[in-house]
Amino acid sequence: GESVGLHLPTLSVQEGDNSIINCAYSNSASDYFIWYKQESGKGPQFIIDIRSNMDKRQGQRVTVLLNKTVKHLSLQIAATQPGDSAVYFCAENSGGGADGLTFGKGTHLIIQP
Amino acid sequence: EPEVTQTPSHQVTQMGQEVILRCVPISNHLYFYWYRQILGQKVEFLVSFYNNEISEKSEIFDDQFSVERPDGSNFTLKIRSTKLEDSAMYFCASSPQSGANTEAFFGQGTRLTVV
Repeated sequence: GESVGLHLPTLSVQEGDNSIINCAYSNSASDYFIWYKQESGKGPQFIIDIRSNMDKRQGQRVTVLLNKTVKHLSLQIAATQPGDSAVYFCAENSGGGADGLTFGKGTHLIIQP
Repeated sequence: EPEVTQTPSHQVTQMGQEVILRCVPISNHLYFYWYRQILGQKVEFLVSFYNNEISEKSEIFDDQFSVERPDGSNFTLKIRSTKLEDSAMYFCASSPQSGANTEAFFGQGTRLTVV
């Protein structure tokens, strides 16, 4: 079946460096994507989203890139801080009705001091 | 800042018992959701709810599960005759609208442990 998945389960970067977390999706009908951050024992927290009619969107220290040709999504975090350590999930919604989000498996980002 | 609140934070129940997980969505939101996350795995969609009825449900949401909005503020998930494999974090979420371009706001979750 179609699914949203992540390439790397764990990513370790030095504090201050930039990080890139990748996500592949297979549902060509997906038209809205969200990155969530989940800290230990907490619920998913919205980071940034992007619509399918865009290929890039920037927030504060974060950038999401969407490549519809290869069905690939990435989250770039600039100048990482210890508080960025968490599991990051991509999620997609194909729109219409009260559709639930389809989440990927998650990447654990570890910021090394 | 408005937030989704869930109670209890942790629920331990014996196999075969019924549990009710409670959620108070953000007050002006119209769409409500329950998700499940088994330890170490991804978040899985269970059900969405709008206008006092289920809008969409996943394969996980079988006859064992039910949802209700009893009083206009609470949104509950009932699990009848719990099984060991129901042990997971259960997240409630709400959004002001549905479909594409809609951010869902998540609660902190209820950890359900079935023993």
